Amino acid sequence: KNQVEQSPQSLIILEGKNCTLQCNYTVSPFSNLRWYKQDTGRGPVSLTIMTFSENTKSNGRYTATLDADTKQSSLHITASQLSDSASYICVVSAGGSYIPTFGRGTSLIVHP
Amino acid sequence: DTEVTQTPKHLVMGMTNKKSLKCEQHMGHRAMYWYKQKAKKPPELMFVYSYEKLSINESVPSRFSPECPNSSLLNLHLHALQPEDSALYLCASSHRDNLKETQYFGPGTRLLVL
Repeated sequence: KNQVEQSPQSLIILEGKNCTLQCNYTVSPFSNLRWYKQDTGRGPVSLTIMTFSENTKSNGRYTATLDADTKQSSLHITASQLSDSASYICVVSAGGSYIPTFGRGTSLIVHP
Repeated sequence: DTEVTQTPKHLVMGMTNKKSLKCEQHMGHRAMYWYKQKAKKPPELMFVYSYEKLSINESVPSRFSPECPNSSLLNLHLHALQPEDSALYLCASSHRDNLKETQYFGPGTRLLVL
C-alpha cells in the first residue's frame, strides 16, 4: 500500500530561525514528489516538484531534497517569517497512476 | 494567468437543497480534479476529468455529480447532502493527467451542510 509519512506533526519556531520538515514514502513505482504549502482554509500552493533524477530543488527560502534510495525527502525553510505559518504537505505520485498519495502534513507555527 | 478560481467561497445548505460548486482555469490545462478536505486531514481525491471526460471516480456517492462543460470549467452538483459532507472542496488542474505535472489548486469552497 502506498503511504506517505510526515514528521513532525507540528512544529513551533521563532521568526528568523531555520527548520526542516521530513517526508518518508513507500510509493512504488516512484514518479514524482511535491511539497505544498497550505494556509488554513485555503487551497494548497505548490512549492517544489522533483522527479527521480533530481535530488534538490529550491524555491526562494524553501529547499527540498530527495533521496530516492532511502525514499526520503526533506523541506528546509531558511530564515523563517511569520507568513510561513501553514501546513506543509508532501505528495508522492506513482508511475502510471492518476491518484497521488498525500501525507498528513506538518503544521508549522512561526512566532515573533 | 496561473490561477484556478472557485465559487462560491462559502456555502451553507440544507439536506434537501440542490446547489453547485464552480471551478474555472484559463491555463490551457486539460486535466481537472475535485478533492474533499476535512479539517486537519489531507485532501481526498473525488473525481478526475481528462480532456473533458470523466476518467476517475473514487467511489463517490451519487449525491455528488461532476460536470465538465468545456476545457476551462468544472462543476460539482450537490443534492441531498448529509452533514458529514461538510468540508473544504478543492478544485485543481494540471497540464494533462500525467502527474509529473504540478497540480494547481483553487482556494476552495467551504461547505456546511445543516
